[in-house]
Amino acid sequence: DTGVSQDPRHKITKRGQNVTFRCDPISEHNRLYWYRQTLGQGPEFLTYFQNEAQLEKSRLLSDRFSAERPKGSFSTLEIQRTEQGDSAMYLCASSLEQTPGEKLFFGSGTQLSVL
Amino acid sequence: AQKITQTQPGMFVQEKEAVTLDCTYDTSDPSYGLFWYKQPSSGEMIFLIYQGSYDQQNATEGRYSLNFQKARKSANLVISASQLGDSAMYFCAMRELNAGNNRKLIWGLGTSLAVNP
Repeated sequence: DTGVSQDPRHKITKRGQNVTFRCDPISEHNRLYWYRQTLGQGPEFLTYFQNEAQLEKSRLLSDRFSAERPKGSFSTLEIQRTEQGDSAMYLCASSLEQTPGEKLFFGSGTQLSVL
Repeated sequence: AQKITQTQPGMFVQEKEAVTLDCTYDTSDPSYGLFWYKQPSSGEMIFLIYQGSYDQQNATEGRYSLNFQKARKSANLVISASQLGDSAMYFCAMRELNAGNNRKLIWGLGTSLAVNP
């Protein structure tokens, strides 16, 4: 069990540039989540996949955000035309349980800074 | 509207003592789940404990226990015998269970716990 890994750990970009983050979940986990966390706040839900299907997407997510999980394994989160307000920690989590007490396993996150 | 409130921005506790972290919630869904996660300075959220709204007993996981008071809509985390490694941010979160395919967790602002030697 290697845990959830996210790449890169840190990303600094200029406003207007596109960025892409990758998440590798725990291998047998079929559910994958993206959350965003800004300083002093709890995480905010962005989107969720079951296998390769994107089943839920937050209304917070503008059209500049897109997420994929093409083969039901790793996932990518792309932000187009980044804005300073996109600066945050982007957290990925995965799970296997299909119970109400579903336990999420989180990665260490990708810290995005938009200058 | 669903909401999680954590009113303690920061807490201190002496090593080996117990500490209670407060969490209140609001939901109109009679079926929901409550979670506590720990976030050390490394950034990785770590699951601690879960309580379902229909669970008859308070949840316990090792040194963690959840003081669930449904009428008061509170789900306080109790950490017994604090250790230096318990120093971290602690988040309370909730999921409404009757909302179809909803898997979204709603999170509080967190409480920063410092354990003093």
